[in-house]
Amino acid sequence: GESVGLHLPTLSVQEGDNSIINCAYSNSASDYFIWYKQESGKGPQFIIDIRSNMDKRQGQRVTVLLNKTVKHLSLQIAATQPGDSAVYFCAENWSEDSSYKLIFGSGTRLLVRP
Amino acid sequence: DGGITQSPKYLFRKEGQNVTLSCEQNLNHDAMYWYRQDPGQGLRLIYYSQIVNDFQKGDIAEGYSVSREKKESFPLTVTSAQKNPTAFYLCASSITSQGDGYTFGSGTRLTVV
Repeated sequence: GESVGLHLPTLSVQEGDNSIINCAYSNSASDYFIWYKQESGKGPQFIIDIRSNMDKRQGQRVTVLLNKTVKHLSLQIAATQPGDSAVYFCAENWSEDSSYKLIFGSGTRLLVRP
Repeated sequence: DGGITQSPKYLFRKEGQNVTLSCEQNLNHDAMYWYRQDPGQGLRLIYYSQIVNDFQKGDIAEGYSVSREKKESFPLTVTSAQKNPTAFYLCASSITSQGDGYTFGSGTRLTVV
């Protein structure tokens, strides 16, 4: 079925360490992927995106890796800070009959220990 | 500033009532979307619209209705047929129907009383 899933529901890291959040997607035809950060009671905030013609993209302290062979996506956060504590979602742009829609995974909660 | 605005932030509904959630964007985006989020869970797509006067059902459309009479507006009506409407509702828009420049509103929390 249509699904984007995550391997770890909760990730706890020490402040200053690097964080890696993983995601599996299901539609091999998806060509665009986005990572979002959501704080409690707020809408998702765009972090970084990647298109299927790339396997890596870097932003400020964040890197997204895409492995199309195994349909796997990861978000790496360098030097994790307390302000990074939130729920992180991956999303795939699902293409079906020339129609596009963004399908979200269930999310990973990142807890940063001081 | 351009953005996407949802109102109200909090909404209370009595059982059996229909309620309409507002979503307005001034980004000149073609596509708009409605998602539902339950506590501790991800976002599920209710309805989406790629162009004015056209919309498609998402994964959980039952009990909901939408309209897209104007490019900047995509209101969602939660009808009495929706048996469990208490949730956080998020509206989003994108530049094109292919998902470019996806932007979210700040959400409406609906509670049935």
